[in-house]
Amino acid sequence: EAGVAQSPRYKIIEKRQSVAFWCNPISGHATLYWYQQILGQGPKLLIQFQNNGVVDDSQLPKDRFSAERLKGVDSTLKIQPAKLEDSAVYLCASSLVAGGHTGELFFGEGSRLTVL
Amino acid sequence: GDSVTQMEGPVTLSEEAFLTINCTYTATGYPSLFWYVQYPGEGLQLLLKATKADDKGSNKGFEATYRKETTSFHLEKGSVQVSDSAVYFCALSEGTGGFKTIFGAGTRLFVKA
Repeated sequence: EAGVAQSPRYKIIEKRQSVAFWCNPISGHATLYWYQQILGQGPKLLIQFQNNGVVDDSQLPKDRFSAERLKGVDSTLKIQPAKLEDSAVYLCASSLVAGGHTGELFFGEGSRLTVL
Repeated sequence: GDSVTQMEGPVTLSEEAFLTINCTYTATGYPSLFWYVQYPGEGLQLLLKATKADDKGSNKGFEATYRKETTSFHLEKGSVQVSDSAVYFCALSEGTGGFKTIFGAGTRLFVKA
């Protein structure tokens, strides 16, 4: 079974530039998550999709971050314009459960962003 | 809101030593509790989980018991190996508020031969 795929693995940009990250979850997983992991901290949830609807985006900085999940499969997370404090690893995860109790999350390897 | 607090690292142990990593949580309902592990250069992966009070999760020699009375889920292993060197994250997931998973800050473990 293929795992969660993310790209790019690494990205270096200047502040005020834009960047986009792509995620392909495990086939059949209804729920998709984007987490931000700053060095030395635990992952922080940015946005959670169930199929192609947003369940929770309360911690997404909507003035600069946006995310979409078209057709309930792939997802894209965009940052525009980037700030220095956006330097982090962006983790995509998926889970099988479409509703009710959340089970195990399956993570991709992450996309490491450095903003100069 | 819900939160997870785990002991700060890094933790450095010699091979075959006993490991405990403390984790406590705050939740409004009845969460499931998890330990995830991140090996160097790899993504996070589930190590073990427990879904209700007094459940014990176990995997690869690691164990953790869901203690509702002390709101804790401490990770233990009787004899660590060099290959256990990684970052360990305690996490909770609750059915209210959107079923999201909240992570602790992580504890880095170094095991020396």
